[in-house]
Amino acid sequence: GQNIDQPTEMTATEGAIVQINCTYQTSGFNGLFWYQQHAGEAPTFLSYNVLDGLEEKGRFSSFLSRSKGYSYLLLKELQMKDSASYLCAALDSNYQLIWGAGTKLIIKP
Amino acid sequence: GAVVSQHPSRVICKSGTSVKIECRSLDFQATTMFWYRQFPKKSLMLMATSNEGSKATYEQGVEKDKFLINHASLTLSTLTVTSAHPEDSSFYICSAAFTDRSEQYFGPGTRLTVT
Repeated sequence: GQNIDQPTEMTATEGAIVQINCTYQTSGFNGLFWYQQHAGEAPTFLSYNVLDGLEEKGRFSSFLSRSKGYSYLLLKELQMKDSASYLCAALDSNYQLIWGAGTKLIIKP
Repeated sequence: GAVVSQHPSRVICKSGTSVKIECRSLDFQATTMFWYRQFPKKSLMLMATSNEGSKATYEQGVEKDKFLINHASLTLSTLTVTSAHPEDSSFYICSAAFTDRSEQYFGPGTRLTVT
């Protein structure tokens, strides 16, 4: 079956760095998305990786290893507003998004 | 660019009534729109995929006669929850994409409460 695994919850300190991991098992693979979702709001797009390697976008970076079925989202210089859930989603061979349950990130002062 | 709106943002209705939720792509033409449901502290659950001008494709377990989806134009899709029951209370989110293979842009969501 198809499956996405990511930690349920993580805690980090303001100004620090945090890495949120995601492993996936899908029938075929056409890329991996990271979305940010604040409580009570819809997800917003953060990144898309389809090739191996690191994509950097400001304070956020996303890494993909297709051979390992693994991705991570790296958040630097954490701010209180980064407290949110981070959703990992893989695009399978039918171009259907398979969603992880999300990682709730708690930022402490 | 790529802004998606949803209306209403919140709705409370009585059990047995029907509720319509609109999803609009404001600055692009969306060939494909998706409807999701999300329970508290859970991930997004895809309900159906709709392509403009054709019938929606429903995911297994989603009742198509209860959740009516219409994608009449390239900028508008509607989800109608018919004969709503308290268990239909949820956060409903739509997304729109240029094609069924491109990035999805999410609407702000609609919080439905059925009393």
